[in-house]
Amino acid sequence: DQQVKQNSPSLSVQEGRISILNCDYTNSMFDYFLWYKKYPAEGPTFLISISSIKDKNEDGRFTVFLNKSAKHLSLHIVPSQPGDSAVYFCAASASKGGYQKVTFGTGTKLQVIP
Amino acid sequence: GAVVSQHPSRVICKSGTSVKIECRSLDFQATTMFWYRQFPKKSLMLMATSNEGSKATYEQGVEKDKFLINHASLTLSTLTVTSAHPEDSSFYICSAKKGAQETQYFGPGTRLLVL
Repeated sequence: DQQVKQNSPSLSVQEGRISILNCDYTNSMFDYFLWYKKYPAEGPTFLISISSIKDKNEDGRFTVFLNKSAKHLSLHIVPSQPGDSAVYFCAASASKGGYQKVTFGTGTKLQVIP
Repeated sequence: GAVVSQHPSRVICKSGTSVKIECRSLDFQATTMFWYRQFPKKSLMLMATSNEGSKATYEQGVEKDKFLINHASLTLSTLTVTSAHPEDSSFYICSAKKGAQETQYFGPGTRLLVL
C-alpha cells in the first residue's frame, strides 16, 4: 500500500522555466512533509519541508505547497537550472509510538534541459 | 552542519558471509538513526529505526536476525547483513536525526553486491 505517491516518474523542463513536482498521500495522520533530492549512487539531500499547519513554505528557488483537503503537495523550482537534474523524493511523516516514521514516495526524475 | 558518513561505500562479498556497514553522524549527536534499502527504480524502504542504547524497531517484513542493527553511541549505528545472499544485493542508506528535529540527514549510501 503506497501511502505516498509520485505519479510522474519523470519530468523534463527547459532551463529557466518552472519545474513542478507533484505528490499525493493517503494517510490523513501525516503531519510533516519533506522533499529530498537524490543523485545516483548518493544518499538523499534534504531540500525543504512543510508542517501540516501551513500551506506554503518558500526557500530561495524552492517552494512547497500543501493542500490538505486534497492530500496533495507540490514542489516548485523556479527558475530551473541544469544542476537541478536529479531524482526528487516526496516524504511524509506521522507520529507513531514516539517515533517519527517517514514514508517516501517513489520519486520523480527531473531533467532540466539547457 | 549535519554530516552523515557511511563506510564502506561499496562492498562485494561471497554468499554466506556477513557484512557490517557503519553509519556515523560526524558533527552532531543522533539519538535516532534509520536504515533504508533502495531497490532499483524504487523508493527508499525503511528497514528499521535505531535508538541509542535500545533495541532497534524493525519494519514489517524485515528479518531482525538477518539485519542486525546496533546503535552503541550517539554518533554510530551499524547494520550487519548476516549470511548474505545475492538477493541482499542493494543500496543501503542510513539517516540520522538531530534531537527532536523532523529532518533526517542521509549518509551517502553503501552499495552491497553479494556474489
